[in-house]
Amino acid sequence: AQKVTQAQTEISVVEKEDVTLDCVYETRDTTYYLFWYKQPPSGELVFLIRRNSFDEQNEISGRYSWNFQKSTSSFNFTITASQVVDSAVYFCALSEPTGANNLFFGTGTRLTVIP
Amino acid sequence: KAGVTQTPRYLIKTRGQQVTLSCSPISGHRSVSWYQQTPGQGLQFLFEYFSETQRNKGNFPGRFSGRQFSNSRSEMNVSTLELGDSALYLCASSSLAGPLNEQFFGPGTRLTVL
Repeated sequence: AQKVTQAQTEISVVEKEDVTLDCVYETRDTTYYLFWYKQPPSGELVFLIRRNSFDEQNEISGRYSWNFQKSTSSFNFTITASQVVDSAVYFCALSEPTGANNLFFGTGTRLTVIP
Repeated sequence: KAGVTQTPRYLIKTRGQQVTLSCSPISGHRSVSWYQQTPGQGLQFLFEYFSETQRNKGNFPGRFSGRQFSNSRSEMNVSTLELGDSALYLCASSSLAGPLNEQFFGPGTRLTVL
């Protein structure tokens, strides 16, 4: 069965600090997809990244970067030089390879960036 | 393009009542998924509709049902409401079914059951 664990419930950092959000997943499938979503106070989930299980390249997008390691079943997310606008709840999610849009979400990490 | 819209945004019901929530996907999107978000259980998948057919269903009781219309708009219904049904219900749309297609989420409907 699929499972996503985000051990960090809440994190507070001071603006401009770097912060890493951890995500560990479990699945028996060899093909799967991993996602990160951001949920600001408005409640709408915002897509950040999708990665398939065959692509272990790290990715950088501006101040965001992702480190995917199949050997440790982890898909960690780093924000460099954090800003107050980064304050939100961040969710890691895992998708079945069956062609359905069924996302298994972690419990989320609430990030607070203090000015 | 307009985003995913959900109506109503807030709803208060009492135990035993039933409720219908509506979701209008992004124009051209044919897949609509529903999720329930609660503090205790987090985000959980309810069901997905594609071209008016339910493709996948999460582990929820039969009181939770849904449908999709020919214009891709979707409704979900919860009958015999329980206190534990209080949650934020999120709808997501994508152009096609499958994880390769990015899901765009709406702002949600916050349901409070008294």
